[in-house]
Amino acid sequence: GAGVSQSPSNKVTEKGKDVELRCDPISGHTALYWYRQSLGQGLEFLIYFQGNSAPDKSGLPSDRFSAERTGGSVSTLTIQRTQQEDSAVYLCASSSGLGFYEQYFGPGTRLTVT
Amino acid sequence: GESVGLHLPTLSVQEGDNSIINCAYSNSASDYFIWYKQESGKGPQFIIDIRSNMDKRQGQRVTVLLNKTVKHLSLQIAATQPGDSAVYFCAENQAGTALIFGKGTTLSVSS
Repeated sequence: GAGVSQSPSNKVTEKGKDVELRCDPISGHTALYWYRQSLGQGLEFLIYFQGNSAPDKSGLPSDRFSAERTGGSVSTLTIQRTQQEDSAVYLCASSSGLGFYEQYFGPGTRLTVT
Repeated sequence: GESVGLHLPTLSVQEGDNSIINCAYSNSASDYFIWYKQESGKGPQFIIDIRSNMDKRQGQRVTVLLNKTVKHLSLQIAATQPGDSAVYFCAENQAGTALIFGKGTTLSVSS
């Protein structure tokens, strides 16, 4: 069956520009997560959505980062005024719920800020 | 802040050997632990999980051990194969929150 998909797979942008990264979760999954993975590092939690509840934004590194989830399905992560330190792989995951549920990851979007 | 860490950044083994990857966690309130495998250019792939009310769980060729006394988690891979070469991450979760990942151990399997 279809897994989590993300687009674009690669994005190169100039410093100061805005970018939008998209995540299509597995159909029916109510929880959606965004993580960031810098080169050679583990995954850093950014934000998660669960159903109609307010998202947990506690991992967002600055107010340049925002995310939304429309219709309880597709999510977009927006980074405004990108900086070179934003360069990383951005991973999206979804699960059947919060807590003791396996998170299924997408392939990620590799963002390079020049 | 509290985080999950790994003891060794790299581990090299021969094909057919058993591999043990270790992880220490610091948050005693964590109640769910997961091991993920990540191959180059791909997202993490679930391997096995364990809840805090257990100390051992077995899957196909993999076993996870949880020692809550010393806050230690390990992944054992039996008869390691070249296809097992990847980066392995442990992650912890307090029910209802997102995962906290360690930095990863790179497993290299030589034939």
